[in-house]
Amino acid sequence: NAGVTQTPKFQVLKTGQSMTLQCAQDMNHNSMYWYRQDPGMGLRLIYYSASEGTTDKGEVPNGYNVSRLNKREFSLRLESAAPSQTSVYFCASRGDRIETQYFGPGTRLLVL
Amino acid sequence: GNSVTQMEGPVTLSEEAFLTINCTYTATGYPSLFWYVQYPGEGLQLLLKATKADDKGSNKGFEATYRKETTSFHLEKGSVQVSDSAVYFCALSRSYNTDKLIFGTGTRLQVFP
Repeated sequence: NAGVTQTPKFQVLKTGQSMTLQCAQDMNHNSMYWYRQDPGMGLRLIYYSASEGTTDKGEVPNGYNVSRLNKREFSLRLESAAPSQTSVYFCASRGDRIETQYFGPGTRLLVL
Repeated sequence: GNSVTQMEGPVTLSEEAFLTINCTYTATGYPSLFWYVQYPGEGLQLLLKATKADDKGSNKGFEATYRKETTSFHLEKGSVQVSDSAVYFCALSRSYNTDKLIFGTGTRLQVFP
């Protein structure tokens, strides 16, 4: 039981490049989330998915797209990376009727 | 709107000292309240939670009491250890939409031997 896994752990991009951050959970959770963590800002919700096939915007969705590929996987795509997207990205999942969210280890992204 | 305010860090303590990290919130309805901890290089993990007024959450020697009258959920530990060094996040989930957590900015705790 690996919980929530994320790949890659670390990535360096040049401005304008694209990439996809991968997230998978093996806890059979319906809800999944993408956050970004910036110094002094705490965690801010980018997108979330309440169930397979549905996605909704969070607090800071601009510049990102998501795909809920199946119940296990929820990916985050940066189509044209900008330096302002330099951050640590966390994926999380939550089971029904349980308020606790379970977090992955994070992806550290640097956009030059 | 809903928000969480935490004391700024870092909080620097010697081992076995008493810890308090303040957290206050603004919310409509009756939110659930959480403390998450992030150890260096890791993701967040739930430390404790409380779902209604006057509830006390506790785990690993940490405690926090849901105080509706002061809209607070302060984290306390009687005797900290070096291994408690981490970033602590207070968070709330809105009662009518538990899909979303709202986090405070985090407080870094550094414990020295």
